[in-house]
Amino acid sequence: TQLLEQSPQFLSIQEGENLTVYCNSSSVFSSLQWYRQEPGEGPVLLVTVVTGGEVKKLKRLTFQFGDARKDSSLHITAAQPGDTGLYLCAGEKGTASKLTFGTGTRLQVTL
Amino acid sequence: NAGVTQTPKFRVLKTGQSMTLLCAQDMNHEYMYWYRQDPGMGLRLIHYSVGEGTTAKGEVPDGYNVSRLKKQNFLLGLESAAPSQTSVYFCASSRGWGAKETQYFGPGTRLLVL
Repeated sequence: TQLLEQSPQFLSIQEGENLTVYCNSSSVFSSLQWYRQEPGEGPVLLVTVVTGGEVKKLKRLTFQFGDARKDSSLHITAAQPGDTGLYLCAGEKGTASKLTFGTGTRLQVTL
Repeated sequence: NAGVTQTPKFRVLKTGQSMTLLCAQDMNHEYMYWYRQDPGMGLRLIHYSVGEGTTAKGEVPDGYNVSRLKKQNFLLGLESAAPSQTSVYFCASSRGWGAKETQYFGPGTRLLVL
């Protein structure tokens, strides 16, 4: 059973456009992480959110944890080709437990 | 400081063959993990280790064995490879446990089982 569903699965946009990626679950998570994975490499951690309603910004990327801690979103403003990659969310249920990874959103940003 | 390295980068096996994937980390991390990544399924945890000499099953452990004889190394073994084990395998390590700790991933091993 996949606990974390991401949408959309694929996204192809042009440079300068804005986009939002969603990570949804029916379960409550104590914290949630977002990773970016470039082709041929392993995932790299972008951010961790731990409080319901929390918003974190990383340059043009804005991450939000849902109030009920069941969902999260990643918004990219003015996308650039360097944003191309696979975006993965990963949640932790309870404290000090294993991570559950989402299904992934593959983003392509073209010139 | 190389971080997490994986050997080999790519391998082709025939059904029934065996192989070992090696993961090494130079960050003195206690925790190490093996994941497999398949299209549309994200990363699934195969086995993990909370310290030298310890191993535990993850979400999809069947068909795999692991060993952590040295703190810096975590080996993943396939005793009798099956086509369903065709995947990209990632090793990761972390200082602590859970989402408040950063997991550092290796570059992956692409395995094709014919």
